[in-house]
Amino acid sequence: GAVVSQHPSRVICKSGTSVKIECRSLDFQATTMFWYRQFPKQSLMLMATSNEGSKATYEQGVEKDKFLINHASLTLSTLTVTSAHPEDSSFYICSAGRGGSYNEQFFGPGTRLTVL
Amino acid sequence: DAKTTQPNSMESNEEEPVHLPCNHSTISGTDYIHWYRQLPSQGPEYVIHGLTSNVNNRMASLAIAEDRKSSTLILHRATLRDAAVYYCILRDREKGSNYKLTFGKGTLLTVNP
Repeated sequence: GAVVSQHPSRVICKSGTSVKIECRSLDFQATTMFWYRQFPKQSLMLMATSNEGSKATYEQGVEKDKFLINHASLTLSTLTVTSAHPEDSSFYICSAGRGGSYNEQFFGPGTRLTVL
Repeated sequence: DAKTTQPNSMESNEEEPVHLPCNHSTISGTDYIHWYRQLPSQGPEYVIHGLTSNVNNRMASLAIAEDRKSSTLILHRATLRDAAVYYCILRDREKGSNYKLTFGKGTLLTVNP
C-alpha cells in the first residue's frame, strides 16, 4: 500500500508559539490531502481539505487563520497551528487518496501536539 | 454522506472469529461501504470495502446484507494486534478516494489473550 508520513511525530511547545506539521505522500502524488484532529477517546474530526496549488477548504467551525494549510507540491502538505494554546493540544492526522481506480485513503501516523 | 451505527465496544478472545456489525439504513445505491481501523496512538488504516457482494482480503471479510442496510466485518481469527477502533464509513463511489471521509464513533474491539 501507499505510504504517508508525518513529521514530527510528537511536539511540545509553549503557549503562544506556532507549530508546523508536515504530511508527505512518499510513493505517490496527492492532489488532495486531508487534515484531521482527534481528542482523547474521541473520533477523528475533519478540519480541512488541502488542495495542491489552491486554497484549502475548511470545515465549519475551524479557524482558517489559526490553522494555516499549505499544499505547495503534489507530495507535501503542511499544517501550521499559529499562536497555539493548551486547548489545541491534540492528535493531528493527515490522509491522502491516490485517486484514479484506488478507493482507499492512506493515513499518516499522526502528530501528538502538547501545548504547555 | 449517509450515517452509520456501530456498537460502542465489543470483546473477543484471541484466535476466535469476530463479527463487527454496522447499520446503514439510509445507504444510497452508489455508496461504498468502507471499513478502517485505528490502532492505539496511530493513524487509521484501510481494512476493506464493498458495494453489494461479499468481499474477502488478507485482513478480513465483509458480509453485506442483501438490502445493503447493514454489513458485518469479519475477522476470522482475532489476534492481540487486532485490538483497535473499527470504523464503518459510507462514501459515494462517484467521489473517489480524493473525497473526504466522515468518521463516526466506531467500535472499540478488545481482544483477550
